[in-house]
Amino acid sequence: GAVVSQHPSRVICKSGTSVKIECRSLDFQATTMFWYRQFPKQSLMLMATSNEGSKATYEQGVEKDKFLINHASLTLSTLTVTSAHPEDSSFYICSALGDREETQYFGPGTRLLVL
Amino acid sequence: AQTVTQSQPEMSVQEAETVTLSCTYDTSENNYYLFWYKQPPSRQMILVIRQEAYKQQNATENRFSVNFQKAAKSFSLKISDSQLGDTAMYFCAFMKHGGAQKLVFGQGTRLTINP
Repeated sequence: GAVVSQHPSRVICKSGTSVKIECRSLDFQATTMFWYRQFPKQSLMLMATSNEGSKATYEQGVEKDKFLINHASLTLSTLTVTSAHPEDSSFYICSALGDREETQYFGPGTRLLVL
Repeated sequence: AQTVTQSQPEMSVQEAETVTLSCTYDTSENNYYLFWYKQPPSRQMILVIRQEAYKQQNATENRFSVNFQKAAKSFSLKISDSQLGDTAMYFCAFMKHGGAQKLVFGQGTRLTINP
């Protein structure tokens, strides 16, 4: 149980395009999901908290208009990187909060490369 | 604000040995959760073990056990009979109790198990 998927696993795009990353909880409902960014050899940096049916809560310094988050159902949250630039290249990881255990379960991550 | 500190950037042991990873944290909360997550080269974050602060008994999961010292705010991870598959980055994390709380991560410890 507690499986979280992410799609795509890697994406290469041209500068100026938008990229959408999906995060799904496969065998449980998640009213709350989280989006992280991880640079090489560093820890995870929380970008935003995604709540089903309401607006996401962004961490300080994260641009809301740059990183659009939609949590339209209890099993799906999406992160859209708008007008991507090379500095947005990174590893993006989502997690879903299991209701009963108050534990975050992580997706396998998405590697984004912006050329 | 909560902080989590892992003072060992890298560790290396021989297969079958026992290794202990250190983690300290700072909080004024009384009720919270502590976690150890493993991130192997695949970069998938995997929950290793979870400890609830109100439980005095140390959590164990097969070869993995913790030494939770609440007064000292210390939460070390012991891996017994280490295996090559234990090679990974290990992150200690803190989460407040109640509601959809964020995880606060330490910097990580890169553990290498040598054959």
